[in-house]
Amino acid sequence: DGGITQSPKYLFRKEGQNVTLSCEQNLNHDAMYWYRQDPGQGLRLIYYSQIVNDFQKGDIAEGYSVSREKKESFPLTVTSAQKNPTAFYLCASSIVGQRNEAFFGQGTRLTVV
Amino acid sequence: DQQVKQNSPSLSVQEGRISILNCDYTNSMFDYFLWYKKYPAEGPTFLISISSIKDKNEDGRFTVFLNKSAKHLSLHIVPSQPGDSAVYFCAASFPSPILTGGGNKLTFGTGTQLKVEL
Repeated sequence: DGGITQSPKYLFRKEGQNVTLSCEQNLNHDAMYWYRQDPGQGLRLIYYSQIVNDFQKGDIAEGYSVSREKKESFPLTVTSAQKNPTAFYLCASSIVGQRNEAFFGQGTRLTVV
Repeated sequence: DQQVKQNSPSLSVQEGRISILNCDYTNSMFDYFLWYKKYPAEGPTFLISISSIKDKNEDGRFTVFLNKSAKHLSLHIVPSQPGDSAVYFCAASFPSPILTGGGNKLTFGTGTQLKVEL
């Protein structure tokens, strides 16, 4: 079945460590996105990519980095520069150039210990 | 600056009755609006959308109404069922994704927790 897979579902990180969250899609979508959800703040856009080897900062990109080497994959690295990394991270994908919905993965809960 | 607002953090409705979830936006350039449903520890799932050229879109028990002059949209669920209990997010996007460079980049509201009681 087509869809978006995020892994792992739960992730623990020590302060000062970088950690990479995986996102893979087999929907043949060109665009991929990373959102962060915090209680009471909805979903905020971290980074997005419309095409391989290109990506743009979203509203809260500081402390994060991404890569888009393959159409199917859009990993997110949470660096030690991110001051409040504990959150629920959601990856999404969509078709570019059409007005349609974005499809979301199941999310990764990152906790800094 | 919250461009998409859901001012009711929670809503409680009896089974079988109508649920009305509200959303306001400030940027008049938004021209496409969506509603997503989210269960805890899961990703949001798409429910229904509406283009700014329409004022109503219906899909089964779900109807979205758009009032452009008031910059307001609402989601009606009739009849409400216990399985509808979830957080509902309103989202908006701009026209010409290629021109704005945003693909289908969505701006989300803060969500409304709906509880449908027996």
